[in-house]
Amino acid sequence: LAKTTQPISMDSYEGQEVNITCSHNNIATNDYITWYQQFPSQGPRFIIQGYKTKVTNEVASLFIPADRKSSTLSLPRVSLSDTAVYYCLVGDRDNNDMRFGAGTRLTVKP
Amino acid sequence: GAVVSQHPSRVICKSGTSVKIECRSLDFQATTMFWYRQFPKQSLMLMATSNEGSKATYEQGVEKDKFLINHASLTLSTLTVTSAHPEDSSFYICSARPEVRQGATDTQYFGPGTRLTVL
Repeated sequence: LAKTTQPISMDSYEGQEVNITCSHNNIATNDYITWYQQFPSQGPRFIIQGYKTKVTNEVASLFIPADRKSSTLSLPRVSLSDTAVYYCLVGDRDNNDMRFGAGTRLTVKP
Repeated sequence: GAVVSQHPSRVICKSGTSVKIECRSLDFQATTMFWYRQFPKQSLMLMATSNEGSKATYEQGVEKDKFLINHASLTLSTLTVTSAHPEDSSFYICSARPEVRQGATDTQYFGPGTRLTVL
């Protein structure tokens, strides 16, 4: 079971790039890495998913090194509305191990 | 696409009553749905995994007789909190994972959550 470790909290300022790293040392061969964003009293929202190397979409980039034991979510030019908790989740369709880690509470300041 | 709804969004009930929460995938079919519980300022705690047409798999420490899960169709799963007590007050969130198809990965899509308050 791939357990994840993230920093508990991070602070940033508007307009900066934020990088949040997640460690998952025992990731399995078939596991994908997925990042979610959660605002208070809302369900998590899918941000990005990857398997290896780099993935980019309209809101974020995901960097995964060759050994896949960690991953980094990159948020370009954050705004106040990006203040939220960010979770990385590692798993595949077969093991149904959808357990969340503690997440990273990102606070964006003006 | 990939929208998941939950109903109700908020419910207040008296101690001892039962509450049913519905989770629907609106624009896709979900073989597997997950139920989570979240207490204030804590992470999501997986309660159970339900597969359409079969019994749910509960996490250790979750009472299956208290939290009844039914996944009768590919678009609907329900969680019934039986004989609710104040300590069951929490934010309940479901998620749904699309059926296996070519190119599908492991993405699950979450509902907006249901705030349960037991008096």
